[in-house]
Amino acid sequence: QKEVEQDPGPLSVPEGAIVSLNCTYSNSAFQYFMWYRQYSRKGPELLMYTYSSGNKEDGRFTAQVDKSSKYISLFIRDSQPSDSATYLCAMSALETGANNLFFGTGTRLTVIP
Amino acid sequence: NAGVMQNPRHLVRRRGQEARLRCSPMKGHSHVYWYRQLPEEGLKFMVYLQKENIIDESGMPKERFSAEFPKEGPSILRIQQVVRGDSAAYFCASSRGNQETQYFGPGTRLLVL
Repeated sequence: QKEVEQDPGPLSVPEGAIVSLNCTYSNSAFQYFMWYRQYSRKGPELLMYTYSSGNKEDGRFTAQVDKSSKYISLFIRDSQPSDSATYLCAMSALETGANNLFFGTGTRLTVIP
Repeated sequence: NAGVMQNPRHLVRRRGQEARLRCSPMKGHSHVYWYRQLPEEGLKFMVYLQKENIIDESGMPKERFSAEFPKEGPSILRIQQVVRGDSAAYFCASSRGNQETQYFGPGTRLLVL
């Protein structure tokens, strides 16, 4: 079983739709949860960063973490064509020296004008 | 405000040759991470370095791969005697400190013929 599972999609939505992206994980030691956006042939760009459980909102983006279910989500409101990219969830544990990130495979999103 | 820089952006090698990938972290960052992204797979952690020290190399293949981050100059990921299976995108990330946000470079796409 992979430590982080993410539906690869692809996911196509019309402009203005609400997008829901999700990841599940198996390692209960994960405490830091991130969402990265990766445009084609580019490096991942950090979108959201959450520590432990709860919600975090930044503009059109909301990140949710449910540690009891080992489930994280990213919601995009009023989606735009410029949101078309691959979205990667990533997470890491809290123990000292555990700096490496564990990534999902990414979900490819296309927002259709 | 330069971000993480990687070069070359594209590298073509024949089987058996050596590949050297370079990464310059963001200004003020002294922690460097290397990840590999195979086609249709998520990013996989390879190695975490600070200046002149390898902190965690748990993701590095046991043979042919090595990494360094000298006191002066960029971090180097070196792959000796490359094989076709080494073809992938190699991303470098940097952070200011331990367990702080990692910022990614644009990646080096290695193709082994």
